Amino acid sequence: AQTVTQSQPEMSVQEAETVTLSCTYDTSESDYYLFWYKQPPSRQMILVIRQEAYKQQNATENRFSVNFQKAAKSFSLKISDSQLGDAAMYFCAYRSVNGANSKLTFGKGITLSVRP
Amino acid sequence: ETGVTQTPRHLVMGMTNKKSLKCEQHLGHNAMYWYKQSAKKPLELMFVYSLEERVENNSVPSRFSPECPNSSHLFLHLHTLQPEDSALYLCASSQRQVGTDTQYFGPGTRLTVL
Repeated sequence: AQTVTQSQPEMSVQEAETVTLSCTYDTSESDYYLFWYKQPPSRQMILVIRQEAYKQQNATENRFSVNFQKAAKSFSLKISDSQLGDAAMYFCAYRSVNGANSKLTFGKGITLSVRP
Repeated sequence: ETGVTQTPRHLVMGMTNKKSLKCEQHLGHNAMYWYKQSAKKPLELMFVYSLEERVENNSVPSRFSPECPNSSHLFLHLHTLQPEDSALYLCASSQRQVGTDTQYFGPGTRLTVL
C-alpha cells in the first residue's frame, strides 16, 4: 500500500520570503500522480499543484513549484514570495494511475503560518 | 453555485439522532467521494461513487450509510453515531479516467457527536 509522509507538522515563513514544504511517499508503482492541496482555516480545500510521475519536468503554478525527485520518492512544494493568504494547512497526496481506483492517499498535513 | 457545495456546514447531534449530510457538485463530474478528516490524522476515504454506483467502501461502520441518487448529489446518512465520529466530513468530485482525475473538494460539514 502507498503511504505519504509529511514529517514537519508546522512551519513559519516571513512574508515575501520563500518556504519549502517536504513530502515523501512510498510506492512500488512506476506511474502515478502527486498533488498538493491547500486548506485555509475554516475554508475549502483547493488544489495547488499536481505532477504526473512520468514527466521529468517539475510542475509550476505561478508562485508555487515542486521539486519532484522520483528516485528519492520526494515531492516538495516551494512557495515563493509568500503572502499572508498562503497561511493554511497543506496536504500532499498520491494517486495511482492503475485501474479505476481514484483513491487519494494523503499525508497528515503541515500547518504553514506567514509572519507579516 | 459553483464547484462542490455541502450542507449543513455545522451539525451537532446526539448519539441517538438520525441526520443526513448533503453534497452537490456543479462541475459535471461522474464520481463523488466522502472523506473523514480528524485532527492530527490524514484524510480517510470513506466511500467512492462512480456513475452512481458505489465502487469503494473502506471498512466504514454501518452507522454511516451513503446514497448517490444521481451524478450530482451525494448523501451521507448518519444514525447512532459515537463521539469518536466527530470530525470534518468532506465531499469531493472528479471526472474519472480523464487525465489526472483531479478531485475537487467541498467546504465540509463539521460534525460534533455528543
